[in-house]
Amino acid sequence: AQSVTQLGSHVSVSEGALVLLRCNYSSSVPPYLFWYVQYPNQGLQLLLKYTSAATLVKGINGFEAEFKKSETSFHLTKPSAHMSDAAEYFCAVSDRGRGGSYIPTFGRGTSLIVHP
Amino acid sequence: DAGVTQSPTHLIKTRGQQVTLRCSPKSGHDTVSWYQQALGQGPQFIFQYYEEEERQRGNFPDRFSGHQFPNYSSELNVNALLLGDSALYLCASSLYKFSQETQYFGPGTRLLVL
Repeated sequence: AQSVTQLGSHVSVSEGALVLLRCNYSSSVPPYLFWYVQYPNQGLQLLLKYTSAATLVKGINGFEAEFKKSETSFHLTKPSAHMSDAAEYFCAVSDRGRGGSYIPTFGRGTSLIVHP
Repeated sequence: DAGVTQSPTHLIKTRGQQVTLRCSPKSGHDTVSWYQQALGQGPQFIFQYYEEEERQRGNFPDRFSGHQFPNYSSELNVNALLLGDSALYLCASSLYKFSQETQYFGPGTRLLVL
């Protein structure tokens, strides 16, 4: 069974500081990994995804994540936080389900707070 | 190009009632998945529909049922509502033949059960 652990329910950074959101996964097969962002009262928007190509994945809005198989991690980073980055971030893992379709399993989310 | 749309945006029901939520997938998509997101939690997979059939199901009771129409739109029905069904219900669409395809999420329907 696949699962995701997001370390830290809240992360607080100053504007311009490095953002680091942690995600560790568990999967019996090589996984696909995702980071989604959710702004207040909105649905989920895909930031980036790893699908067994390059281990360093670049996404939208300056975010990137690195797949580390030995550490079973997929941490999300951004060099310089912006006020507009304040949101809830979800890490997700998926592998092929019964019907052949990939169904993501989500972590509990990390709330990113950005201080001026 | 319209993305995933859901209706209604908000809904208030009382315990024991039934509710129907609706979803229209992104143009060109043929697969719809439904998720329940309780407050402070990540989304939990309810089920997925393709070719008007339920293809996969998460760990949800039979009170949760769905339907997909020939135009690929979908409904989620919940019977005998419980207080614990209060949540944000998200619909996501994708293209089935590209099984690695990203799921695109709608804005959700927020259901409150009193």
